[in-house]
Amino acid sequence: GAVVSQHPSWVICKSGTSVKIECRSLDFQATTMFWYRQFPKQSLMLMATSNEGSKATYEQGVEKDKFLINHASLTLSTLTVTSAHPEDSSFYICSASQQGRETQYFGPGTRLLVL
Amino acid sequence: AQTVTQSQPEMSVQEAETVTLSCTYDTSESNYYLFWYKQPPSRQMILVIRQEAYKQQNATENRFSVNFQKAAKSFSLKISDSQLGDTAMYFCAFMMRRFTGTASKLTFGTGTRLQVTL
Repeated sequence: GAVVSQHPSWVICKSGTSVKIECRSLDFQATTMFWYRQFPKQSLMLMATSNEGSKATYEQGVEKDKFLINHASLTLSTLTVTSAHPEDSSFYICSASQQGRETQYFGPGTRLLVL
Repeated sequence: AQTVTQSQPEMSVQEAETVTLSCTYDTSESNYYLFWYKQPPSRQMILVIRQEAYKQQNATENRFSVNFQKAAKSFSLKISDSQLGDTAMYFCAFMMRRFTGTASKLTFGTGTRLQVTL
């Protein structure tokens, strides 16, 4: 149980385009979802926390207009990278947790390359 | 703010041997959770073990166990009978405990790359 999927797993796009990444909890209801960014050989950095039906809470230094997060249902959160640039190239990982539980379950990640 | 420190960037262990990964943290909170996550080459984050700070007993999961020293703010991971499949990046992580029981954000250490050799 507690499976989280992400789609797509790989995306290559041109500079200036927008990219949407989906995060789904497959067998549980995720009241809270988190979005992380990981650069090569580095740790995970939290970008934002989203609760179902509420606006996301962004970490300091993360541009909310650049990284749009929507958590419209208990099984789906999306991260949209707007007007992507090469410096946005990274590995994006989501995690999800259930109401009343503290453990976060992670998706397999999405590798974004902006040319 | 919480910080998590992993002072060993890389470690190596022979198959079937035991290895200990170090983690220290800094917090003014008294109620929190600590986790060890594993990230193999596939980059999928996998929960290895968790510890509630209010429990004195060290957590154990099969070949994985922790040495939790709350006063010293230390949380090391011991891997016994190491296997080739244990080769991965290991991250120590801290989470504040909310009394609603819901998850709060994880603060990760910089990671330790473990290589298990034949």
